[in-house]
Amino acid sequence: GAVVSQHPSWVICKSGTSVKIECRSLDFQATTMFWYRQFPKQSLMLMATSNEGSKATYEQGVEKDKFLINHASLTLSTLTVTSAHPEDSSFYICRATPGANYGYTFGSGTRLTVV
Amino acid sequence: KQEVTQIPAALSVPEGENLVLNCSFTDSAIYNLQWFRQDPGKGLTSLLLIQSSQREQTSGRLNASLDKSSGRSTLYIAASQPGDSATYLCAVPYGGSQGNLIFGKGTKLSVKP
Repeated sequence: GAVVSQHPSWVICKSGTSVKIECRSLDFQATTMFWYRQFPKQSLMLMATSNEGSKATYEQGVEKDKFLINHASLTLSTLTVTSAHPEDSSFYICRATPGANYGYTFGSGTRLTVV
Repeated sequence: KQEVTQIPAALSVPEGENLVLNCSFTDSAIYNLQWFRQDPGKGLTSLLLIQSSQREQTSGRLNASLDKSSGRSTLYIAASQPGDSATYLCAVPYGGSQGNLIFGKGTKLSVKP
């Protein structure tokens, strides 16, 4: 149980275009999902907390107008990187959990390359 | 502010060796600690979750210990295999058990046949 599916696993896009990444909880409902970003040889850093039915909470330094988060249902959160630039190239990964005693389940991640 | 540190940053061992990975955290008021494995370009695989009331957890050849008072956790891997080669990350929640996870930078393990 507690499976989180993330799609796509990798994407290459041109500068200036937008990319949408999906995160789905397959066998549980997640009122909260988290989006992380990982640059090469760095730790995973939280970008934003996605709350079902309300606005996401962004970490300091993360542009909310650039990284649009939508959590329209209890099983789906999406992250859209708008007007992507090469510096947005990174590994993006989502996290969700059915509850406090279930540990933390991550999606498989999305490798974004902006050319 | 919680900070998580992992040492060593990289480790190379011959197959069959037992090894220990270290994780330390600055704020001992944690709900739990989790060890993950990350293969290159891949997501995270949960290895072991230790609740704050526990001292250790075991799964197969893996054993994780937790000493909250000293702010330390260790991941012990017995009889290492080439398939164990990956980056190992530890993480603690901050701001509540369902809050942000603070990660260490990881230990990159290479097990040579």
